[in-house]
Parts: sequence; C-alpha cells; structure tokens
Amino acid sequence: DIQLTQSPSFLSASVGDRVTITCRASQGISSYLAWYQQKPGKAPKLLIYAASTLQSGVPSRFSGSGSGTEFTLTISSLQPEDFATYYCQQLNSYLALTFGGGTKVEIK
Amino acid sequence: QVQLQESGPGLVKPSQTLSLTCTVSGGSISSGSYYWSWIRQPAGKGLEWIGRIYTSGSTNYNPSLKSRVTISVDTSKNQFSLKLSSVTAADTAVYYCARDKVVVVAATLFNWFDPWGQGTLVTVSS
Repeated sequence: DIQLTQSPSFLSASVGDRVTITCRASQGISSYLAWYQQKPGKAPKLLIYAASTLQSGVPSRFSGSGSGTEFTLTISSLQPEDFATYYCQQLNSYLALTFGGGTKVEIK
Repeated sequence: QVQLQESGPGLVKPSQTLSLTCTVSGGSISSGSYYWSWIRQPAGKGLEWIGRIYTSGSTNYNPSLKSRVTISVDTSKNQFSLKLSSVTAADTAVYYCARDKVVVVAATLFNWFDPWGQGTLVTVSS
C-alpha cells in the first residue's frame, strides 16, 4: 500500500508566519494530490487539488506544489482563521485512495 | 450550490449493520460526471475512505472494508447510501459523505472531494 507521510505532525506558529507542510508518498504513482483544511467539529474543506490548483474561494495565501513523491502546502502569511488540521490525499488507483496523517497548526 | 447531508442512526449494536443515507441538494446527483463517496474519521484520528459510487451504479471500495461495505444510489431521491455490516467498536466514527471528482490525465488518476456533508457520529455499542 502507498503511504502518505505528512511532516510535521504538529506545528506551532504565529500570525503572519510563513508555514510549509510536506506530504511524502512512499511511491511515486501520481503527480497529483489534494489538500484539505479541517477545523474542530467540522468537515474537511478542499483547499487545493491537482497538487497546485487553488479551489475557488480559497484565499491566495494558500499554495501547493510538488510532484512525484514530495508535495508541499504553503501558507504565505498565517491568519487566525488558518489554525486547523491539514490533510493531504492522493488517488493511486480506483481502489487505492490514501490520506496523510494530518498536520495540526496551532497558535504559538 | 450543491450541499450534502448525512442521516441515519447514531447508535448501532455490535455485529449489526450500520446504515446511512446522504441526501444531495442544490443539484442533481446524476449530473456533472461525479462519483459520490463515503469517508469516516474516528475521534481524534485521521480520515479513511470507505468507497464510492457512480450514478450508473458502478462502485469502488477500500479493500480493507470491501467484504463488509455496500454503497448504493437512488437517483430518483437524489440520495446515496452506505451499509457496513458486522460492525464492531472499531467502526465508531464520524461518517462523511462527499462529492468525488475523478480525473484521468495522461493515464494518471487523481481526484478531490468537494463539497462534504457535515458528518454524522455513529457509535457502535451495546
């Protein structure tokens, strides 16, 4: 099975900081993945798909990049509403769909 | 805009079958070449994809759950449903339904889930 490993699993940052979250795949099957933001008690929200395409309505401070086995989500200037848990997700076949373990971003 | 809403019992006894329905509003479940998926999340843990259905009735299931999962669709009601049999405490989780866009580009598959339902907590306990 293909695994998605997110790092760090926990991140403490201040408002205005630039934040980068990495998602590494155990095998380079797909050049594309999606990123989601989840706040406590809420459903995940799509931020980015196809590795770098910003979902409509998502602030431009969010960006995604990468291919092969390493992908990154960057928040250029962290805002108070960005404190949440972030998940990456990749589809490798119609049967193999994997989520990363999550990165919790908390206020320093 | 399309919205999804899960419904079903919040408490299921061990060994019984968990049954949930997702109602799609704001658009037809049959339009737009989308799949429709179920995803779950145990308390304090990560996300696990359960399976998906296309409006033709074609399904894909997570191999780890395949023997216990059935997903069906009722286009006349704009709904799709999940049945998970022989449940145990390990199946206790928040269950989400989501619209699932699957794309093939140069023989590469990728997808994304958007929107999601708000989620419903299902507890397996006697």
